Amino acid sequence: DSGVTQTPKHLITATGQRVTLRCSPRSGDLSVYWYQQSLDQGLQFLIQYYNGEERAKGNILERFSAQQFPDLHSELNLSSLELGDSALYFCASSVSDRGGYTGELFFGEGSRLTVL
Amino acid sequence: AQKVTQAQTEISVVEKEDVTLDCVYETRDTTYYLFWYKQPPSGELVFLIRRNSFDEQNEISGRYSWNFQKSTSSFNFTITASQVVDSAVYFCALVSGSARQLTFGSGTQLTVLP
Repeated sequence: DSGVTQTPKHLITATGQRVTLRCSPRSGDLSVYWYQQSLDQGLQFLIQYYNGEERAKGNILERFSAQQFPDLHSELNLSSLELGDSALYFCASSVSDRGGYTGELFFGEGSRLTVL
Repeated sequence: AQKVTQAQTEISVVEKEDVTLDCVYETRDTTYYLFWYKQPPSGELVFLIRRNSFDEQNEISGRYSWNFQKSTSSFNFTITASQVVDSAVYFCALVSGSARQLTFGSGTQLTVLP
């Protein structure tokens, strides 16, 4: 158990809908990273927050947005969903805002999104 | 820019065989960190090792060993006496320079047959 909690574990929805994925980092970790894992794109970095502020942005679509709340949990919002958004969405956390430099990233079990 | 290449898409071995998973990385930075993660069929990502660019010593942990060679920009992972439970997708990853996020390779699916 990494200590990172993601909900829901599985989600099935229809095209055009909007969903919210939630992540609670490990106790004491201030940084949250979101990754998307799909068959054709592999593990792609989406966005990072540190102590409530956006710190890095990857290949995140404009239809996707994220935020980190004062209690440090984070939410990834996916809207106007398309079939291609079906993927496993991972959240990871670390103590610092340069997680890989100061230690490992701890990953949650992922949220599997299926868009029909 | 940082890039990780795992040329082996799938590897299949018979139990008790040794197997090496290749990882080649690209970065212009002198300070960087390399990682290996395991993704079993259940889907979670499990951390295996982190290595910094200034430490080229090979590391052994039980049946696992890692060979880091800066001269060839490689960070290969060997499983000795493989077991069925080693069946998983293995990812190599890199963070370097000013980047904050890990860049992952495409992964190698390892299947260990009984």
